[in-house]
Amino acid sequence: SQQGEEDPQALSIQEGENATMNCSYKTSINNLQWYRQNSGRGLVHLILIRSNEREKHSGRLRVTLDTSKKSSSLLITASRAADTASYFCATDYQGGSEKLVFGKGMKLTVNP
Amino acid sequence: GAGVSQTPSNKVTEKGKYVELRCDPISGHTALYWYRQSLGQGPEFLIYFQGTGAADDSGLPNDRFFAVRPEGSVSTLKIQRTERGDSAVYLCASSRAADYEQYFGPGTRLTVT
Repeated sequence: SQQGEEDPQALSIQEGENATMNCSYKTSINNLQWYRQNSGRGLVHLILIRSNEREKHSGRLRVTLDTSKKSSSLLITASRAADTASYFCATDYQGGSEKLVFGKGMKLTVNP
Repeated sequence: GAGVSQTPSNKVTEKGKYVELRCDPISGHTALYWYRQSLGQGPEFLIYFQGTGAADDSGLPNDRFFAVRPEGSVSTLKIQRTERGDSAVYLCASSRAADYEQYFGPGTRLTVT
């Protein structure tokens, strides 16, 4: 399987703390995308990072990509209770179609 | 502008019946994708359209599943002779072109009884 894997699978923190989620994948990619999902329904797009990029920021989110290690991390700074959700990384593999391959996701709980 | 919309939001059907799930992509998006998600799992790819044609249907599990996008906008996922194992949330996504962000709809929760 070319599935990405998020680590840890679950994380519980207090409001105001930072949360770091990691994603590893297996083969070369065109891009990697991070998503958030609440209550098992629609996915909200957070950030896309391309294979030639190393870091991107969006508000309180910071994503890094290390293609030599085939890994990415998502950092949420100053977390809020509203950040409680499942987070997925999804990879667009080189040489394939434009489909995304998702990991199983990581459950983040931010306690007020 | 409006996001991706999917109808119905929930569908309950009996085993053996035929169902159609509809996806309205973001206006102007040429690429459209179908995924399905089972409880506790990440979405799994089903089929990808570029314009009207299916560019990759390798994720369709068997020939009971079929999807169309006749005018390059709205897409319909069709499932014949539904089975209980087809129960899942079916997600549609669109992007303005290949290799760009994919934006997801709210999904259709299909339950086969």
